[in-house]
Amino acid sequence: AQSVTQLGSHVSVSEGALVLLRCNYSSSVPPYLFWYVQYPNQGLQLLLKYTTGATLVKGINGFEAEFKKSETSFHLTKPSAHMSDAAEYFCAVSDLGFGNEKLTFGTGTRLTIIP
Amino acid sequence: GAVVSQHPSRVICKSGTSVKIECRSLDFQATTMFWYRQFPKQSLMLMATSNEGSKATYEQGVEKDKFLINHASLTLSTLTVTSAHPEDSSFYICSARDLKGINTEAFFGQGTRLTVV
Repeated sequence: AQSVTQLGSHVSVSEGALVLLRCNYSSSVPPYLFWYVQYPNQGLQLLLKYTTGATLVKGINGFEAEFKKSETSFHLTKPSAHMSDAAEYFCAVSDLGFGNEKLTFGTGTRLTIIP
Repeated sequence: GAVVSQHPSRVICKSGTSVKIECRSLDFQATTMFWYRQFPKQSLMLMATSNEGSKATYEQGVEKDKFLINHASLTLSTLTVTSAHPEDSSFYICSARDLKGINTEAFFGQGTRLTVV
């Protein structure tokens, strides 16, 4: 069985500061990892994904995440926070391949940006 | 990206009544749609996989007679919560995958907040 743990249900950072959202997973097979963002009153939008290959993955809006197998982590970072980054972020894992949406989600992290 | 529209965004209903939630892919066709549920402070949990023209596949522990899924066309899937009870109050969200190509990402609706009183 797979599971995802997102440390910190709420994270606040100042505008211009580093954003770090933590995600750890457990999977019995090589995982496919995803970060989704949800803005208020909108659906989930894919930020980035890791399937195979390069472990540092770049996504939209300046976000990136690094797959670290030894740490079973897939933390999301952005060098400089912007007010528009305020949203809910979900980490998810799938062991059935990209394109199969049997995703296991974390509980989400609400990111607040302080002006 | 493609758009998935979910309606309604919020609904309040009385205990014992039924509620229908619609999930539409607006600019693409989807043979498969997925229904998730999220309880407060918990993860999104997959409830069922909806296949156009065939019966839905339900995850373990999800009552198929209570959560009726219909996927009558390539752009519409509906979830009906029958005889709703307060414990069914939750956030329901659908996703759909574009029919074209393989290994394409899923697009999510904006979710439906159901409150049963």
